[in-house]
Amino acid sequence: SQTIHQWPATLVQPVGSPLSLECTVEGTSNPNLYWYRQAAGRGLQLLFYSVGIGQISSEVPQNLSASRPQDRQFILSSKKLLLSDSGFYLCAWGTGGNNEQFFGPGTRLTVL
Amino acid sequence: RKEVEQDPGPFNVPEGATVAFNCTYSNSASQSFFWYRQDCRKEPKLLMSVYSSGNEDGRFTAQLNRASQYISLLIRDSKLSDSATYLCVVMGDSWGKLQFGAGTQVVVTP
Repeated sequence: SQTIHQWPATLVQPVGSPLSLECTVEGTSNPNLYWYRQAAGRGLQLLFYSVGIGQISSEVPQNLSASRPQDRQFILSSKKLLLSDSGFYLCAWGTGGNNEQFFGPGTRLTVL
Repeated sequence: RKEVEQDPGPFNVPEGATVAFNCTYSNSASQSFFWYRQDCRKEPKLLMSVYSSGNEDGRFTAQLNRASQYISLLIRDSKLSDSATYLCVVMGDSWGKLQFGAGTQVVVTP
C-alpha cells in the first residue's frame, strides 16, 4: 500500500530564515506530487505540482520554490520566510487524470 | 467568484439524525468531484468520489447535479465521530489540479 510522509510535523521559524520541508511517497512509482497550503480558517491552496523528476509547475507567485530531485521526493523551500508564509503545508500524491489525491500528515509552520 | 463554494456551517446535528449540505462549483467543464473529510488540525482524507449517477457508501450519499453545478453530501444516522469539516473538491483538468471549497463544519451532538 502507498504511504506518504512529511517532516517536520511542526516548525517555528523567524521571519527571514530559510525553509525546507520534505515529502516522500512509498509504494508507488511516478506519482504526481502536489504542495498545498491551508491558512487558518481557509481552504487549501495549490502551490506547486510535479508530474515527474525535475518538472515543477507553480500555481501562485510567492517566495516559495519546489524541487523534485527523486521520483518519490518533493521538497518545498524558501530562502527568506515572511509572516504570511505561516500555515499548514500539505503534500499530496495522485496518479493524475481524474483520480483522487492522498495527503500526507502535513507540516504546521509558524513564522514569527 | 470562488471556484468552489460551501456553506461554512456549523451544522449542529443530533446524534442519529440526517444532515445534508451542498457545494457549488463554477467551472462547467469540471470532470471529477470528491468529498474529503478533515478533522481539526489533521490532513484531509478522501471520503468518497462523486459519480454522475450518484453514489452511496454506507451512511453517506453523494449526488452530482451538472445542470445546476452543485454537489451534495447526505449523512444518515449521524454518529459523534462524524463531527468534522467536509471539503468539497472539484478537479478541472487532466493535470489533477484540485479546487477545494473552504469546508462545511458538522458537529454531531449527543
